[in-house]
Amino acid sequence: GESVGLHLPTLSVQEGDNSIINCAYSNSASDYFIWYKQESGKGPQFIIDIRSNMDKRQGQRVTVLLNKTVKHLSLQIAATQPGDSAVYFCAEKSGQAGTALIFGKGTTLSVSS
Amino acid sequence: DAGVIQSPRHEVTEMGQEVTLRCKPISGHNSLFWYRQTMMRGLELLIYFNNNVPIDDSGMPEDRFSAKMPNASFSTLKIQPSEPRDSAVYFCASSRTASDRAYGYTFGSGTRLTVV
Repeated sequence: GESVGLHLPTLSVQEGDNSIINCAYSNSASDYFIWYKQESGKGPQFIIDIRSNMDKRQGQRVTVLLNKTVKHLSLQIAATQPGDSAVYFCAEKSGQAGTALIFGKGTTLSVSS
Repeated sequence: DAGVIQSPRHEVTEMGQEVTLRCKPISGHNSLFWYRQTMMRGLELLIYFNNNVPIDDSGMPEDRFSAKMPNASFSTLKIQPSEPRDSAVYFCASSRTASDRAYGYTFGSGTRLTVV
């Protein structure tokens, strides 16, 4: 079946470095993508989203890139801070009516100071 | 806004007992979702409602699971009888929904269920 997945289960970086978290999706009908951050004991928290008519979107210290040709999504975090340590999930949604977000397995980001 | 409110935060029950999880979505959101999170399977969609009507319940594991949304401000997920393999964190999320545009979901803090 079609699913959303992540290239790496863990990523360790030094404080101040830039982080890049990758995600592959296989549903060509997906037209909406979201990155979520989940800290221990909490629910997923919305970070940034992007629609399929865009290939880049920037937020505060975060940038999401979408490459529809290879069905790839990435989240870039600039000047990573210890507070960024969490599990990051990409989620995708088909443009088909009656569908909901499907989540990937997650990447654990560890930031050391 | 208080966000999506779930109760209880933690639930420990014995196998065979009935468990009811509760959710209050964000006011004005017309879609509500129940997800289950485990280490092995990640975040799985169980069921979702649009305007209080169940749209897709294909993720509900089996007949032991049922969900209701009697009004726009309340939903329940019931497991009867519960089994140890139901142990997981159950999340409720809500969002706006429009026919021409998707929106992100806001998640509650989850209910950690342990069935012994």
